[in-house]
Amino acid sequence: GNSVTQMEGPVTLSEEAFLTINCTYTATGYPSLFWYVQYPGEGLQLLLKATKADDKGSNKGFEATYRKETTSFHLEKGSVQVSDSAVYFCALERSNYKLTFGKGTLLTVNP
Amino acid sequence: SAVISQKPSRDICQRGTSLTIQCQVDSQVTMMFWYRQQPGQSLTLIATANQGSEATYESGFVIDKFPISRPNLTFSTLTVSNMSPEDSSIYLCSVKGQGSTGELFFGEGSRLTVL
Repeated sequence: GNSVTQMEGPVTLSEEAFLTINCTYTATGYPSLFWYVQYPGEGLQLLLKATKADDKGSNKGFEATYRKETTSFHLEKGSVQVSDSAVYFCALERSNYKLTFGKGTLLTVNP
Repeated sequence: SAVISQKPSRDICQRGTSLTIQCQVDSQVTMMFWYRQQPGQSLTLIATANQGSEATYESGFVIDKFPISRPNLTFSTLTVSNMSPEDSSIYLCSVKGQGSTGELFFGEGSRLTVL
């Protein structure tokens, strides 16, 4: 079946630090992959996505590359800000917009 | 984009009772979904809400426990029936946006605590 394994949190960083949140998946075929973010008091928002192998999704300084050989989609940002504090969810699309999510990683960035 | 309003945002319920959660979207959407997030767990898809017909449930979820209505293209309800403490979760409404990218939009969720 389809599953997503995400780095356990919480993750606490200082401002301007480098961020990596690991995500690996198990799936049949090559599903689209997503990172969603949930800021405090808000709903989930799409952060970035990749639809095929070697695609790189990017948004707001965040990047993730679809790696077929390692079945991974790690989220990275070179310099985090306090405003990046949120919960980050890795997800894959099974079919017809139905998503399978990881457990989420809480990121706290301190000034 | 789509703006989704969910009600209630949170509630505390007694065992054995039922609660209905409403999801209102600011535009007509073709696909609506209901997810559950149990404490410390990932989001799990409950069902696809189909306009004018019965919802399509995922494995492990049944209509008697989670009846869903979708009378039009902007509104849906999820009822959690005969609640037990194991139903304490955040329930989220999600919709497919317009356009070719088909981005999914989520409501803020309804946090239910069952005592």
